[in-house]
Amino acid sequence: GALVYQYPRRTICKSGTSMRMECQAVGFQATSVAWYRQSPQKTFELIALSTVNSAIKYEQNFTQEKFPISHPNLSFSSMTVLNAYLEDRGLYLCGARQGAETLYFGSGTRLTVL
Amino acid sequence: QQQVRQSPQSLTVWEGETAILNCSYENSAFDYFPWYQQFPGEGPALLISILSVSNKKEDGRFTIFFNKREKKLSLHIADSQPGDSATYFCAATNQGGSAKLIFGEGTKLTVSS
Repeated sequence: GALVYQYPRRTICKSGTSMRMECQAVGFQATSVAWYRQSPQKTFELIALSTVNSAIKYEQNFTQEKFPISHPNLSFSSMTVLNAYLEDRGLYLCGARQGAETLYFGSGTRLTVL
Repeated sequence: QQQVRQSPQSLTVWEGETAILNCSYENSAFDYFPWYQQFPGEGPALLISILSVSNKKEDGRFTIFFNKREKKLSLHIADSQPGDSATYFCAATNQGGSAKLIFGEGTKLTVSS
């Protein structure tokens, strides 16, 4: 079956530092990867969409300079939160799909900023 | 503007009852509607989905009813179990387009025994 692994599950960083999170698709080819942030209130914010062979599209309020994303092949993607501050805390979710199939999510990386 | 709305925000049912979770959307271009189940500390897991060409989709105890004209859908959970206690998210997308899923704000379901 289609599985998406994310790591680390939890991370704590000091204010102003950066952290990287990774996403691995197993059992299918992740032609598209979507990175979301889920707030403590449970709402989902789309950060960016990455499709192989296309430019990464960032949503309003999110930039490549703050959330650089790499999607080098059909099974792996990573995102870094640069210069993290309190407002960046939340559960970061990687969703991956093959073609027009359903988006499958990993368990998320929970970011705490001190 | 919230493109996908869910109600109620929270719902409590007794074990064995049918839980009904509602969802509505704004964009007529949406044609694919997955429902995700999320337990605390976990990512959302796909539960059941429906295409706009259908008006009903059933999978075990879970059924989606879809009304394209009214832009409404609902998830019915029959014979609710305590293990069904979770937050349920309705999502929508134009499947022919990007992977951009628009999520509702969720319904927190509690099944009491």
